[in-house]
Amino acid sequence: DAGVIQSPRHEVTEMGQEVTLRCKPISGHNSLFWYRQTMMRGLELLIYFNNNVPIDDSGMPEDRFSAKMPNASFSTLKIQPSEPRDSAVYFCASELEMNTEAFFGQGTRLTVV
Amino acid sequence: AQSVTQPDIHITVSEGASLELRCNYSYGATPYLFWYVQSPGQGLQLLLKYFSGDTLVQGIKGFEAEFKRSQSSFNLRKPSVHWSDAAEYFCAVGPRAAGNKLTFGGGTRVLVKP
Repeated sequence: DAGVIQSPRHEVTEMGQEVTLRCKPISGHNSLFWYRQTMMRGLELLIYFNNNVPIDDSGMPEDRFSAKMPNASFSTLKIQPSEPRDSAVYFCASELEMNTEAFFGQGTRLTVV
Repeated sequence: AQSVTQPDIHITVSEGASLELRCNYSYGATPYLFWYVQSPGQGLQLLLKYFSGDTLVQGIKGFEAEFKRSQSSFNLRKPSVHWSDAAEYFCAVGPRAAGNKLTFGGGTRVLVKP
């Protein structure tokens, strides 16, 4: 398996624009997580899904952020409208079962100018 | 609320020397414990994990970690570091229940001197 695949790897956008980050988990994994990494706040869990159902989105910073998992092989994280403070590296991770090893993608580096 | 503390933000070590990275956690019960490594521009890779049993856990790349319940610690060690070990290391805890909401420490960046 190619691992967790995230796209794009880098995204530069202007403030106010909509940004969509994409994630393809490892085939067969039933849990998917979105994390955000910044220098100031470190790694934060934004939301996670189990069997395509959002379980906990308490980490989503505000209503501008939304995440979907329409099927077992695809998830999106959308920011609308984007703001400079959203600049960070966003990671997607998947697990075969809860509380086992999380496999991380290489991340999307988002810069909002 | 759970928290993970990695007291050392940066550590510089000479190649061939030993390495120990500290991790302390605050949790309501004994959690699952993890160490991840992040190379520049890359995602996180699991080094090792502790769920139960032997409190000394062996991982990949020659790393080991010891769970000490009395100290709420899960320190990572390597007897002899290689230049390729230069990276950032994250300790994480997760609940022993459905819903693996990992809480990460702030990370320790390791620099390896030749």
